[in-house]
Amino acid sequence: QQQVKQSPQSLIVQKGGISIINCAYENTAFDYFPWYQQFPGKGPALLIAIRPDVSEKKEGRFTISFNKSAKQFSLHIMDSQPGDSATYFCAASLYYGGSQGNLIFGKGTKLSVKP
Amino acid sequence: EAGVAQSPRYKIIEKRQSVAFWCNPISGHATLYWYQQILGQGPKLLIQFQNNGVVDDSQLPKDRFSAERLKGVDSTLKIQPAKLEDSAVYLCASRPGGPDTQYFGPGTRLTVL
Repeated sequence: QQQVKQSPQSLIVQKGGISIINCAYENTAFDYFPWYQQFPGKGPALLIAIRPDVSEKKEGRFTISFNKSAKQFSLHIMDSQPGDSATYFCAASLYYGGSQGNLIFGKGTKLSVKP
Repeated sequence: EAGVAQSPRYKIIEKRQSVAFWCNPISGHATLYWYQQILGQGPKLLIQFQNNGVVDDSQLPKDRFSAERLKGVDSTLKIQPAKLEDSAVYLCASRPGGPDTQYFGPGTRLTVL
């Protein structure tokens, strides 16, 4: 019940295209869903996050879509650029006492954006 | 603002040897995490500190792993003795008291031969 399942494992997109990465969770108590971006040799960095009281959140070219009934959420990268080539991780956690609980990460999606 | 610092960046050891990793979190961050990231997988939490106290170490293999956070600032993670399956990147992250964002360091890549 603590798993977060992420797909696809790898993704190749042409420059200017839309990249879509999907995640599914099991624990209905999760209430914080961040996406992290990781470049080779670097630690993960927070990209965008959502709570289940909204169905969509957009920041620049990055959008999270959230479907509470299906227990799924996805990351959309519009106008994908070669600089977006990285590994993306979804995660989930409980949020209690005004503070984030421990993050459960998916296995990651390696995105390659071709020029 | 300086980020999370980790050292060493790379370490190669023989199995059954011991190894230690060091982390200096962002100044003022109360919460510190150690994660293990095996190649091709997402980070897995090993231990969480709040100031200098342990909040969660349920996934730390305590027979071989130990961690401490000196005076609520720097932290060290030790493995003794190391096994082949400990080969991974060990990530340190820190977070301020309130906001959600965890800030990760660059990690230490451990290879156990």
